[in-house]
Amino acid sequence: TQLLEQSPQFLSIQEGENLTVYCNSSSVFSSLQWYRQEPGEGPVLLVTVVTGGEVKKLKRLTFQFGDARKDSSLHITAAQPGDTGLYLCAGPTGRRALTFGSGTRLQVQP
Amino acid sequence: EADIYQTPRYLVIGTGKKITLECSQTMGHDKMYWYQQDPGMELHLIHYSYGVNSTEKGDLSSESTVSRIRTEHFPLTLESARPSHTSQYLCASSESGAQETQYFGPGTRLLVL
Repeated sequence: TQLLEQSPQFLSIQEGENLTVYCNSSSVFSSLQWYRQEPGEGPVLLVTVVTGGEVKKLKRLTFQFGDARKDSSLHITAAQPGDTGLYLCAGPTGRRALTFGSGTRLQVQP
Repeated sequence: EADIYQTPRYLVIGTGKKITLECSQTMGHDKMYWYQQDPGMELHLIHYSYGVNSTEKGDLSSESTVSRIRTEHFPLTLESARPSHTSQYLCASSESGAQETQYFGPGTRLLVL
């Protein structure tokens, strides 16, 4: 059983559309991170959310941490082909520092 | 920009060969990790280290071994490669703290024929 479930698994949209991807867990996390991985590269940190209910914006990306700190969402406004990639959420779990979710593969068509 | 390096970037080898994947970081991070990832899929932790002479197995069973003799270096070795080892291998490091950010290398794409 995945500690962090991400949905949808795959999303293909047209340039200019909006989208939201989700990261859910039955466990409480002290913080959650979002990474983006482009093809052929390693994941790169986008944001860390720490406080329940927190909203962080990074240009066209809006990240929200659930009030109960069990879930998070990423909303992209007016998606561009450069947003294409694998989006991973991750949370600290005990001694192993981070557990990663299964990922959402986003493809933005020009 | 993260200073973590992996070599080689791509490797094609025959079954039964011994290989070592190199990973080095210049950030002085205590913690280092190896993940296995099939293209576009989730990351599976196979080994991690919290410091020199400290190594532990991760969640995914792996026939590989690792060593941590120096802080900056965390090589992964496959004694006898098999086609089932074909995958991408990602190395990462992090600094101990409340919100640890993992910095990833570019990965090694391994194909075992």
